[in-house]
Amino acid sequence: GQSLEQPSEVTAVEGAIVQINCTYQTSGFYGLSWYQQHDGGAPTFLSYNALDGLEETGRFSSFLSRSDSYGYLLLQELQMKDSASYFCAASGGGADGLTFGKGTHLIIQP
Amino acid sequence: EAGVTQSPTHLIKTRGQQVTLRCSPISGHTSVYWYQQALGLGLQFLLWYDEGEERNRGNFPPRFSGRQFPNYSSELNVNALELEDSALYLCASSSPGRRRADTQYFGPGTRLTVL
Repeated sequence: GQSLEQPSEVTAVEGAIVQINCTYQTSGFYGLSWYQQHDGGAPTFLSYNALDGLEETGRFSSFLSRSDSYGYLLLQELQMKDSASYFCAASGGGADGLTFGKGTHLIIQP
Repeated sequence: EAGVTQSPTHLIKTRGQQVTLRCSPISGHTSVYWYQQALGLGLQFLLWYDEGEERNRGNFPPRFSGRQFPNYSSELNVNALELEDSALYLCASSSPGRRRADTQYFGPGTRLTVL
C-alpha cells in the first residue's frame, strides 16, 4: 500500500515563491506526480519525477529524493490564478494505480 | 484532440437507488481510472480498468462496480445508494506504456447528490 502526507493549507503572497512538500510511504514506488485542481474543476497534470532531482516546467518545478521518500512542488512568481489545491500522487509497481495525498490548499494573497 | 468526457455532469438520486456513470477516454488511451472526491476531500481511488479488465480496486464496498468496453469507454455503477455516496466522481485515462499510471488526464467529473 501507499500513503502520502502533505500540508493541508499554505498561504503565500503574489509574486513570491512557495514550496509544497510531500512525504510518502510506499511499496514498489515508481515515481511522484503533481496535480492542480481549481475549485469545482478537474485535476490537471503538472509534473512527474521518477528520478532524484529537479524537474522544471516554466514557473513550476518538482523535486524528488527517493532516499528520503520526499518530494516537493515549487511555484515561482505566484499569480492569483495559482490559487488552487495541489495534490501529490505516487505510482507503484504491480497492479497498483495512483495514490493521491489529501491535497494542499494554496491561498495567495495580493 | 478531445479530452476525457464524462456523463452526466450532474445527477440527483435518492437513497437506495442505483446509478450509472459514463466515461470516454482520450483517443488512444487504454486505461481508465475512477475516483471519488467527497466535498473538501482528496481523491479516493475506486477502480482501474485496462484493456477491458479490472486491474485494481480501492477500499470500497462491492456495490461500487464497473466495466470497460472494447472501445475503452467505461461505466461506473453504484447500487443501493447511501447519503455518503454524494461526491464528485472523476474519471481519468492514461496511455499505454510501462508507467502509464503516472500521467493521468481527468474528465470534468459527475456531481452525484444522494438525498
